[in-house]
Amino acid sequence: DGGITQSPKYLFRKEGQNVTLSCEQNLNHDAMYWYRQDPGQGLRLIYYSQIVNDFQKGDIAEGYSVSREKKESFPLTVTSAQKNPTAFYLCASMLQANTGELFFGEGSRLTVL
Amino acid sequence: QKEVEQNSGPLSVPEGAIASLNCTYSDRGSQSFFWYRQYSGKSPELIMFIYSNGDKEDGRFTAQLNKASQYVSLLIRDSQPSDSATYLCAANTQTGANNLFFGTGTRLTVIP
Repeated sequence: DGGITQSPKYLFRKEGQNVTLSCEQNLNHDAMYWYRQDPGQGLRLIYYSQIVNDFQKGDIAEGYSVSREKKESFPLTVTSAQKNPTAFYLCASMLQANTGELFFGEGSRLTVL
Repeated sequence: QKEVEQNSGPLSVPEGAIASLNCTYSDRGSQSFFWYRQYSGKSPELIMFIYSNGDKEDGRFTAQLNKASQYVSLLIRDSQPSDSATYLCAANTQTGANNLFFGTGTRLTVIP
């Protein structure tokens, strides 16, 4: 079955640690996205990538980094510079950028202790 | 001004009633509009999209678009308790590479 796989589902981190969230898709989609969701704030875009080896900052990129070395993979690193990293992180893909039909992974819930 | 605005709710309707969810957008250049449903603790899933003015029906769901008023709505007929979720409206503005904007969502509760 085609889809988007995020791991881990739940992650606990101590302050000052970097963590990497995995996102893999087998939908053959060109565009991939990372969103952060906090209660009552909807989805906020962190980074997106329209094509391999290229990515752009979204609205809240500070304290995060990404890579897009393969079409299928778009990992997100939450660095120690991110002031308030506790959130629900959603990876998504789109067949082509700007068509608007996003397919989401199941999400990763990060808690900073 | 936010690109896409929704009433956060909660909106409560009795089982079998029509639930009406509303969304406004600020960019007149917006071309396409999407409704995502998100159950608590889960990821969003696309349930409807609409590009043209008027109504689009899919089963119990009807999306309505009025570009002149910059208004999108989602009607859910014969509401079921399983429809209880947060509904996210999104607009694709075509103003740049990053052009899909989400509202904050409306929480719907269908009371048995």
